[in-house]
Amino acid sequence: DAGVIQSPRHEVTEMGQEVTLRCKPISGHNSLFWYRQTMMRGLELLIYFNNNVPIDDSGMPEDRFSAKMPNASFSTLKIQPSEPRDSAVYFCASIKGLRVDTDTQYFGPGTRLTVL
Amino acid sequence: KNEVEQSPQNLTAQEGEFITINCSYSVGISALHWLQQHPGGGIVSLFMLSSGKKKHGRLIATINIQEKHSSLHITASHPRDSAVYICAVREGAQKLVFGQGTRLTINP
Repeated sequence: DAGVIQSPRHEVTEMGQEVTLRCKPISGHNSLFWYRQTMMRGLELLIYFNNNVPIDDSGMPEDRFSAKMPNASFSTLKIQPSEPRDSAVYFCASIKGLRVDTDTQYFGPGTRLTVL
Repeated sequence: KNEVEQSPQNLTAQEGEFITINCSYSVGISALHWLQQHPGGGIVSLFMLSSGKKKHGRLIATINIQEKHSSLHITASHPRDSAVYICAVREGAQKLVFGQGTRLTINP
């Protein structure tokens, strides 16, 4: 299996622009997670989906962030408008089942976002 | 809210040394994860444990549920073990809360 695929791997944009990050989970996995990693705050959960349905988006920092999962093999995380403080590495991860405490998480390579 | 604390934050050792990284959490859990983040940024799940001890090669993870503490040990450390090691515990239904990570550097 190719593992979790994320694109782009690097994104540099200017403040105010719209940014779309993409993720393809491992085939057959039922849950998908979006994380953000910064030096100051480490890894933080932004949102997760079970069977394509958003379950908990309490980690999404504000209305500028939105995430969708239109089907089992694709998810997007959109930031509009982007701000310099959004600069971070964004990871997507998936698990086969529905329980994060018993299933191994498989992480994508991450997207390094820089907002100038 | 579960607070996860790791120690030390940074650790430098010589090749061959025995390494211990500690993780403490504040609220009772059902399982704890250890992750490894490579220098290139990729994250790999090393262990998921709810009691006792697990071993994969030179890596050993232990957990004491009553004391809310887990340790990750590396025997016969090697420069390729240099990475950031992160522990994580579940909070709520499916949310993982992460420690800040321990940056390990093994010098040849």
